[in-house]
Amino acid sequence: EIQLVESGGDLVQPGRSLRLSCAASGFTFDDYAMHWVRQAPGKGLEWVSGISWNGGSVAYADSVKGRFSISRDNAQNSLHLQMNSLRPEDTALFYCTKDIQAILSPGGYFDYWGQGTLVTVSS
Amino acid sequence: DIQMTQSPSSLSASVGDRVTITCRASQGIRVDLGWYQQKPGKAPKRLISAAFSLQSGVPSRFSGSASGTEFTLTISSLQPEDFATYYCLQHHSYPLTFGPGTKVD
Repeated sequence: EIQLVESGGDLVQPGRSLRLSCAASGFTFDDYAMHWVRQAPGKGLEWVSGISWNGGSVAYADSVKGRFSISRDNAQNSLHLQMNSLRPEDTALFYCTKDIQAILSPGGYFDYWGQGTLVTVSS
Repeated sequence: DIQMTQSPSSLSASVGDRVTITCRASQGIRVDLGWYQQKPGKAPKRLISAAFSLQSGVPSRFSGSASGTEFTLTISSLQPEDFATYYCLQHHSYPLTFGPGTKVD
């Protein structure tokens, strides 16, 4: 059974940093690209960042570029999101998702989602 | 960046109704579009990939179609478990972009 379990969400003050993690199991982790998607309270879904199977290619939404950094540890079957200079508008539930492809290219799809970890940015 | 619009933003329907939701891309995305279903308090679930391909385990009352930059999700006969919010996602170019969602209640 494929499982994605996020962790690391917390209440943090504006300007501070936070690191999210996603533990993957039930599939060959280094065969697939992975992504982070977030959802602000009561709002829609927003793609945040993606990373190719070997970490060689990454992509970010304009809203987080320069502040967030995605990485993966294929030996540990884990995905991470380092979030710096957090803003109140970053408050959201962050989901880890698995792509059906290995690289960041057209034609991908998110076939599995975690349950999310909540990040609250407030003073 | 590719912008995705979705209509309607919400709709009221009854069990047995045929429901149609439309997404439109701001430029050509071939068929690189997926549909997802989200129920309150739950993570999104996969429905349809590549505009037409029903995902494993998804009931056949769900279907997808495409015409140019317009994509449609159809539920042929709405069931009680289908009341949810539906999102499209273009997976053609980065940054990936979701539609704003359609709430079916």
